[in-house]
Amino acid sequence: AQKVTQAQTEISVVEKEDVTLDCVYETRDTTYYLFWYKQPPSGELVFLIRRNSFDEQNEISGRYSWNFQKSTSSFNFTITASQVVDSAVYFCALSEARGAQKLVFGQGTRLTINP
Amino acid sequence: KAGVTQTPRYLIKTRGQQVTLSCSPISGHRSVSWYQQTPGQGLQFLFEYFSETQRNKGNFPGRFSGRQFSNSRSEMNVSTLELGDSALYLCASSLALFRESSYNEQFFGPGTRLTVL
Repeated sequence: AQKVTQAQTEISVVEKEDVTLDCVYETRDTTYYLFWYKQPPSGELVFLIRRNSFDEQNEISGRYSWNFQKSTSSFNFTITASQVVDSAVYFCALSEARGAQKLVFGQGTRLTINP
Repeated sequence: KAGVTQTPRYLIKTRGQQVTLSCSPISGHRSVSWYQQTPGQGLQFLFEYFSETQRNKGNFPGRFSGRQFSNSRSEMNVSTLELGDSALYLCASSLALFRESSYNEQFFGPGTRLTVL
């Protein structure tokens, strides 16, 4: 069975600090996809990144970066120089290739950036 | 391009009633998925429809059902509402060009917040 664990329920930092959101996953499949979504107070889930299981290359997009390590089944998300607008709930998710449109989400991490 | 729209945005029902929620996907998207979000259980997959057929299903009782129309619009229905059905119901659409294709990115709507009294 698939499972995604986000051990950090809530994180609070001061603006401009760097913050890392942890994600650990479990799956028996060799082919799968990993995602991060952001959910602002409005409720809509905003897609941030997708990684497939064969691509362990880390990615950087502006202040956001992702570290994918198959050896530890982790897909961590770092925000550098955080801003108040980054405050939201962040979800890590997993999808098997064959049931591809079904996402299994972690419990989410509520991130609060204080001015 | 218009995003995924869901109607209504807010809904209040009483126990025992039934409810129908609607989702209009992004134009050209053929796959529609539904998710339930509650504080206790988090985000859980309900089902996915592709070309009017249910393709995937989560672990929810039969009171939860859905359908998809020929224009890809989808509805989900919950019968005999229970207090625990109070949740944010999110709909997501994706292109899914080929029925057995690998993952296509899902775009989420704003959700329908259902309150059961």
